[in-house]
Amino acid sequence: GENVEQHPSTLSVQEGDSAVIKCTYSDSASNYFPWYKQELGKRPQLIIDIRSNVGEKKDQRIAVTLNKTAKHFSLHITETQPEDSAVYFCAATVYSSASKIIFGSGTRLSIRP
Amino acid sequence: GAVVSQHPSWVICKSGTSVKIECRSLDFQATTMFWYRQFPKQSLMLMATSNEGSKATYEQGVEKDKFLINHASLTLSTLTVTSAHPEDSSFYICSAIRTTNEQFFGPGTRLTVL
Repeated sequence: GENVEQHPSTLSVQEGDSAVIKCTYSDSASNYFPWYKQELGKRPQLIIDIRSNVGEKKDQRIAVTLNKTAKHFSLHITETQPEDSAVYFCAATVYSSASKIIFGSGTRLSIRP
Repeated sequence: GAVVSQHPSWVICKSGTSVKIECRSLDFQATTMFWYRQFPKQSLMLMATSNEGSKATYEQGVEKDKFLINHASLTLSTLTVTSAHPEDSSFYICSAIRTTNEQFFGPGTRLTVL
């Protein structure tokens, strides 16, 4: 089955700097990679996703890159703000009607004022 | 956007009792729902896939007789934690899939077993 590894487990950056979170996956059949942001005690919220037919996707300050050959994908947050502080999860799945999503272990991002 | 609700949002129970958690898709039909468990400072671990009108598919290591799942309609799946013990205390989150592959998560249920 699919296995998703995520690094680092914690990340502290100065406000305004960039943050990068990296993930690897094991199953070459996975072709959809969502990223979720979870605040304490709340549900995960989808912030960006990428399919395997593209190498990069950007949405304002957030971007995701994908290297299918290496089975790596990364989340980039630029110009970080205090409200970016949360736990971020990467995930991998097969894009179909009922595929289960496998989550990474999470990264706790803290933004220093 | 699609809305998924869970009830209750939190529950405290005595050891040995059973607890039922409901997951509802409010504005769409979901043939498939998922149940996750999340311990403090850990990731979401998939427990089972709930399919409308059929038996749930459990992940390896999840006791099907302890975590009973019923998906009786296209908008409701229930998770019953039977004979709950303190080690079952956790944050339980459901999700539902609409026509696309996007999963919509419920707000979660915090279970505390005394």
